[in-house]
Amino acid sequence: KAGVTQTPRYLIKTRGQQVTLSCSPISGHRSVSWYQQTPGQGLQFLFEYFSETQRNKGNFPGRFSGRQFSNSRSEMNVSTLELGDSALYLCASSVGQGAAGTQYFGPGTRLLVL
Amino acid sequence: AQSVTQLDSHVSVSEGTPVLLRCNYSSSYSPSLFWYVQHPNKGLQLLLKYTSAATLVKGINGFEAEFKKSETSFHLTKPSAHMSDAAEYFCVVSEDPGNTGKLIFGQGTTLQVKP
Repeated sequence: KAGVTQTPRYLIKTRGQQVTLSCSPISGHRSVSWYQQTPGQGLQFLFEYFSETQRNKGNFPGRFSGRQFSNSRSEMNVSTLELGDSALYLCASSVGQGAAGTQYFGPGTRLLVL
Repeated sequence: AQSVTQLDSHVSVSEGTPVLLRCNYSSSYSPSLFWYVQHPNKGLQLLLKYTSAATLVKGINGFEAEFKKSETSFHLTKPSAHMSDAAEYFCVVSEDPGNTGKLIFGQGTTLQVKP
């Protein structure tokens, strides 16, 4: 099976712009979670989707949003970008909801905000 | 609330010697615990997972971890380090094993393997 894929892999934006990142889960996986990785804060949970519904949300401002489509693909959007949004954004998929389903991570999208 | 503490930010070993990466956890539930590895410029790869079936968990590439409830620890070990093991390792606990998939990560341990 193909793994989790994320597009684009690298992105450069300027402050104030918005960005959309895409994640395609492993075939048959219905849950998608997003994480932000920075040198200072480490890995932090953004949100989780299961069957097109947001199941859980981390402690991030409303500028961060996401959605999941009927084919389980997910997108996350960051509006009004700030310098501090520069990070590696990782997507993970699992078969079912909850940690009973092991999460498999994609390679990430590296976002640089100038 | 669940949390994990990785006791060493950096561990250096010589090739062929044992590896020990230490992790303590805090959980209100019977936790699900994981170790993930991240090689430079790569995503996260699952090494092993504990979900209460057996306290000694064997993972990929010769790694294993032992769940010790009395010590709230989940240390990762490998008998003999290989150069390819050099990477960052994350100890992870699930927030609520039965409800959501939110994972809580430790701050990571960088493993250096010297020739």
